[in-house]
Amino acid sequence: DGGITQSPKYLFRKEGQNVTLSCEQNLNHDAMYWYRQDPGQGLRLIYYSQIVNDFQKGDIAEGYSVSREKKESFPLTVTSAQKNPTAFYLCASSITGKVGYEQYFGPGTRLTVT
Amino acid sequence: GENVEQHPSTLSVQEGDSAVIKCTYSDSASNYFPWYKQELGKRPQLIIDIRSNVGEKKDQRIAVTLNKTAKHFSLHITETQPEDSAVYFCAAEPGNTGKLIFGQGTTLQVKP
Repeated sequence: DGGITQSPKYLFRKEGQNVTLSCEQNLNHDAMYWYRQDPGQGLRLIYYSQIVNDFQKGDIAEGYSVSREKKESFPLTVTSAQKNPTAFYLCASSITGKVGYEQYFGPGTRLTVT
Repeated sequence: GENVEQHPSTLSVQEGDSAVIKCTYSDSASNYFPWYKQELGKRPQLIIDIRSNVGEKKDQRIAVTLNKTAKHFSLHITETQPEDSAVYFCAAEPGNTGKLIFGQGTTLQVKP
């Protein structure tokens, strides 16, 4: 199904390497978000962007970077500075970054770093 | 900053019984409270939400209640069915920040 896509589904990297996770949406949404999902910890916000060319840190931004050069794309780079990068990463988008609008999630990317 | 606590972490009920999941939040400026359902291997999806000017909202077998004074809100599922088995997340949006703070999740198992 279209809407919001993430690739790849599974990603394997060696420790010390940077890796970029893709997130694309064709919903014409202004806002996009990156979450990390770990067992028993819910969804934790890494970065979010309420409009193109602008983004803000979430609660766990250390070791991650993002860009928002196009409305439909919000790639996340996991850098070697992230101490525990192995996790399930979810991207989401919302029609607007204002209060009270549904976030639509992508299918996720499972990153394993060894 | 906002902190959202969710209980219980796991919940097992018999088909047809009711299930209740509770969340508390810390930021009194929070004014939007959605609930997301994540089935195994799938993406989270919004199932119901409530805004701070409303005390209760229903949608068929699911309902959400909000107590602003006590800073807690709850999800109620009646007449549970096996397809209700999933992980449920509550969330709160601190006032005008445009971001959601999620609870830790509740794994609901409905036994046939």
